[in-house]
Amino acid sequence: GAVVSQHPSWVICKSGTSVKIECRSLDFQATTMFWYRQFPKQSLMLMATSNEGSKATYEQGVEKDKFLINHASLTLSTLTVTSAHPEDSSFYICSARMDPINSPLHFGNGTRLTVT
Amino acid sequence: TQLLEQSPQFLSIQEGENLTVYCNSSSVFSSLQWYRQEPGEGPVLLVTVVTGGEVKKLKRLTFQFGDARKDSSLHITAAQPGDTGLYLCAGGSNYKLTFGKGTLLTVNP
Repeated sequence: GAVVSQHPSWVICKSGTSVKIECRSLDFQATTMFWYRQFPKQSLMLMATSNEGSKATYEQGVEKDKFLINHASLTLSTLTVTSAHPEDSSFYICSARMDPINSPLHFGNGTRLTVT
Repeated sequence: TQLLEQSPQFLSIQEGENLTVYCNSSSVFSSLQWYRQEPGEGPVLLVTVVTGGEVKKLKRLTFQFGDARKDSSLHITAAQPGDTGLYLCAGGSNYKLTFGKGTLLTVNP
């Protein structure tokens, strides 16, 4: 089956530093990847949609300069949290989809970010 | 904005009991998906329902899509501790999914 790998699975960083999270589709080409944030006991909130080779589309209220997304290849998208603050601490999850548009989403196992 | 309301928010039951969780919206969805998520992991797709009135079964889990494609239910028969997790419904009318807040199910042995 389709596998999406996220790395790292957890990370602790100091306030003011930047953190990069990788999302890789291991056995399929992901035309579109999605990034979500999930706070404890809450649902997934879509942050942005990234398509290979083009700029990401951010949801309302998500700062594109703070959450940098790069989808440089059909198997890799990265999310960089810049100048992280404690309120950025959350569980970040990616999902990936191949063509066509109604193909199912495959989720990564998430990255637990803690900013101290 | 399409919203999905899930109920109950929390559910704690004993092993062997039956349960139903609900996913409701005022919007029509072209399809609706159910996921289960365990702590510290990503969601895992259980089923996709597409046709109004559709019923799908996955072992002890029965999923139903409302006739008007605005709501769905998940019924679990003879729940087991392994069913414990966060159950999320998600609807998509385009390429983007909207998630409900989930039902946190705990099945006690």
